Amino acid sequence: EEQLVESGGRLVQPGGSLRLSCAASGFRFGDYYMAWVRQAPGKGLEWIGRIRDKVNSHITEYAASVRGRFIISRDDSKSSMYLQMNSLKIEDTAVYYCVRMNGAFDIWGQGTVVTVSS
Amino acid sequence: DIQMTQSPSSLSASVGDRVTITCQASQDITNYLNWYQQKPGKAPQLLIYDASNLETGVPSRFSGRGSGTDFTFTITNVQPEDVATYYCQHYDSVPYTFGQGTKLEIK
Repeated sequence: EEQLVESGGRLVQPGGSLRLSCAASGFRFGDYYMAWVRQAPGKGLEWIGRIRDKVNSHITEYAASVRGRFIISRDDSKSSMYLQMNSLKIEDTAVYYCVRMNGAFDIWGQGTVVTVSS
Repeated sequence: DIQMTQSPSSLSASVGDRVTITCQASQDITNYLNWYQQKPGKAPQLLIYDASNLETGVPSRFSGRGSGTDFTFTITNVQPEDVATYYCQHYDSVPYTFGQGTKLEIK
């Protein structure tokens, strides 16, 4: 079964840092672009960034709302992707989803909750 | 950035009805348009990719059409389990953006 499992979400203070992980199984992780999508409480979906595959040099691209604060990385040997979140703001509070990109976002994790609050 | 305008924001339907949601892109995205369903408390699920292709395992009562800037998503013979929020999303170029969502309820 093709699956993504996120972890690492928790309560963090404004200005703090957090690293989320996404573990993939059931498919050749290294063959795919991967992305992060978030959803603030009661709000819609927001794409926050993607990382390309090795053939495309693992190039990353970000939404303006997180550029310069968030960093996406991956370790294909571990079938894992990461989201390093720095300088966290209250408005970063959301469920964070790891997604596989196959053109469309065809596989989603269950999400991990990040709460930024003092 | 490409903006996606989705309407309506909510709709109410009876079991067996046909409902249609529209999504308009702020510029030509050819057919780089997907539709997702998100049930309460769950992760989104891909229903339609490339504007009109049904994802494997998705019931045939779901369909999509369109190209360029104007797209529609239709559910024929609405079922109780279709209660959810539906989102369009383009992937023409980054940043990928989603529509605002359409919340479907059953009368």
